[in-house]
Order: sequence, then C-alpha cells, then structure tokens
Amino acid sequence: GDSVTQMEGPVTLSEEACLTINCTYTATGYPSLFWYVQYPGEGLQLLLKATKADDKGSNKGFEATYRKETTSFHLEKGSVQVSDSAVYFCALFNNAGNMLTFGGGTRLMVKP
Amino acid sequence: EAGVAQSPRYKIIEKRQSVAFWCNPISGHATLYWYQQILGQGPKLLIQFQNNGVVDDSQLPKDRFSAERLKGVDSTLKIQPAKLEDSAVYLCASSQQGRNQPQHFGDGTRLSIL
Repeated sequence: GDSVTQMEGPVTLSEEACLTINCTYTATGYPSLFWYVQYPGEGLQLLLKATKADDKGSNKGFEATYRKETTSFHLEKGSVQVSDSAVYFCALFNNAGNMLTFGGGTRLMVKP
Repeated sequence: EAGVAQSPRYKIIEKRQSVAFWCNPISGHATLYWYQQILGQGPKLLIQFQNNGVVDDSQLPKDRFSAERLKGVDSTLKIQPAKLEDSAVYLCASSQQGRNQPQHFGDGTRLSIL
C-alpha cells in the first residue's frame, strides 16, 4: 500500500538557519504530494502541494519539488523564523485521488 | 469563509464510557473525513463520506466506532465503549468534490481516556 516516510524530529535550528525536512514515498501510479503544517493546539493547514513530477510547490518561503526518480518531496526554507516552529507532515493523495496518506510528522523548533 | 468546526475541543472520559464528536464542514464541501491522530503520529483516516454516503471506512474499528452524516452536511463520530488506546485527537476535514481537492482541517477534539 501507499506510505510516506519522514525524517524523525525534533529538528532544532537557530533563527535564520536553513531548513530541510526529508520526505520519501511509496505509491503506485502518480500520486499528488502535499506538505501540511500543524501549530500547537490547532488542526492541519495545507502549506504547499505538487501534482506531477518536477512540479515545485511554494508558500511562505517554503519550497518542495516533486522528484519521481527519487520518490522524494523534501521541504526546504532558506531562513527559518521562530514562528515556523510547528509539526510538519508530508502526505500523498493516492492514484484515485480520494485518500490522503500522512507521514509521521517532523517537529521543528526554531530558537531566537 | 468559515472553516471546519468541531466540538468539543476536549473530552475526558473513563474507559467503557461512550463519547460523541461533532463536525460541521465548510459550506458546499461534499466530502468529509474523520481522522484519528495518536500523539506523535500522523493522522490516520477512519472514514470518508461523499455527501451522505460512505466512500471508505476500511480503517474504522466498527465494533466500537460509528459515524454518520445523515443530511450530507454535519457529521458525528461515536465511540462506544471507549478503550484506553482510543486516546487521541480526532480531526475532521472537508473538501470539494473531485480528484485531488485539498482537504481543510478543523482544530480537532482531544480525547483522553482514564
């Protein structure tokens, strides 16, 4: 079945450091890929998405590129802020486009 | 636009008791999802509705969990009787009908079983 694997956290960075959170997936066909963010005490918010190979999703300074050859969708940001502290989830929509499968989440902590 | 509304935000019950959660999706969203998120894990789909019909409930523990969306709008998720391992956050999400439509999540109900 479909699965998503993320790097384990927590990831602790200083403000203005570079961020990479690794995400790899296993799926049949051509899934769509997503990053969601969850702030403390809140639900998940869609951060960015990519629907086909080589697409780059971007939002709020975050980027991720759909790499079919490596089955990856790594999340990157050039300069993190304290307000970016949250849990980040990588997810995929299956080939039929009706079921979202999540990774285990990666907690990011940014220190001033 | 108003987001997905869930209630209650928190619930504490003893094992073997019953509990129900309520979700009001975004207006016009035909698809509604219930997820279980255990602490430190990603959300796991329990059930998916399309209007008032069930699309997927393969991960729903049907001996104790039930869900309904009678009029194709609001939904309730019930656990009866609750077990200790049911302690989790229960998230409701909704989306427009169609392939790859983004899901919008509510803030969830945090359930603690004593």
